[in-house]
Amino acid sequence: QVQLQESGPGLVKPSETLSLSCAVSGYSISSVYYWVWIRQPPGKGLEWIGSIYHSGTTYYNPSLKSRVTISIDTSNNQFSLKVSSVTAADTAMYYCARSINWNFDYWGQGTLVTVSS
Amino acid sequence: QSVLTQPPSVSGAPGQRVTISCTGSSSNIGAGYDVHWYQHLPGTAPKLLIYGNNNRPSGVPDRFSGSRSGTSASLAITGLQAEDEADYYCQSYDSSLSGFYVFGTGTKVTVL
Repeated sequence: QVQLQESGPGLVKPSETLSLSCAVSGYSISSVYYWVWIRQPPGKGLEWIGSIYHSGTTYYNPSLKSRVTISIDTSNNQFSLKVSSVTAADTAMYYCARSINWNFDYWGQGTLVTVSS
Repeated sequence: QSVLTQPPSVSGAPGQRVTISCTGSSSNIGAGYDVHWYQHLPGTAPKLLIYGNNNRPSGVPDRFSGSRSGTSASLAITGLQAEDEADYYCQSYDSSLSGFYVFGTGTKVTVL
């Protein structure tokens, strides 16, 4: 069974870099899928942050592209997210997910990241 | 930044049928891109409910069905049950600067 688990600091200071990892089990991250980050600010809807293919090709939401980096670590079967220069607007529940055919079939439980001094 | 518009809430009594609309534009649903639906219970991971407009993943009851027409899509829940009380999101692909994946604004389903 495919499982994804996010990890990382729950509190980040303004202007610093948010860093999260997603550990994948039950499936090789090197196979044919996209691996994705999605977030949900409190009281708001879901927002796609970006995706990475097993080859390392990345795609980012244009609204976040200048601050986001997604990388993949096939040896440890995980992928990561970095968001630089964070503000309170980046406070959200962050989810990692697997994507094929433009939908998301497996999701992690999510991790709440709060941006505050 | 939601590109797809959904009603904020719908409600129904147990056993009733409810529908949730998802309105897009010519750069997403209207361009023929598939619509997918997710069920999200607070504190849990969102669950893929419908993919490719009207397909159910294994384990999803046939009480849930989807359709797409023009620039809109709909999710129908028949025989509403208490356990269906959740937030529901539509999602599609967008070819404009909105980004590859776009979500709906979300709809809260309340079982009366």
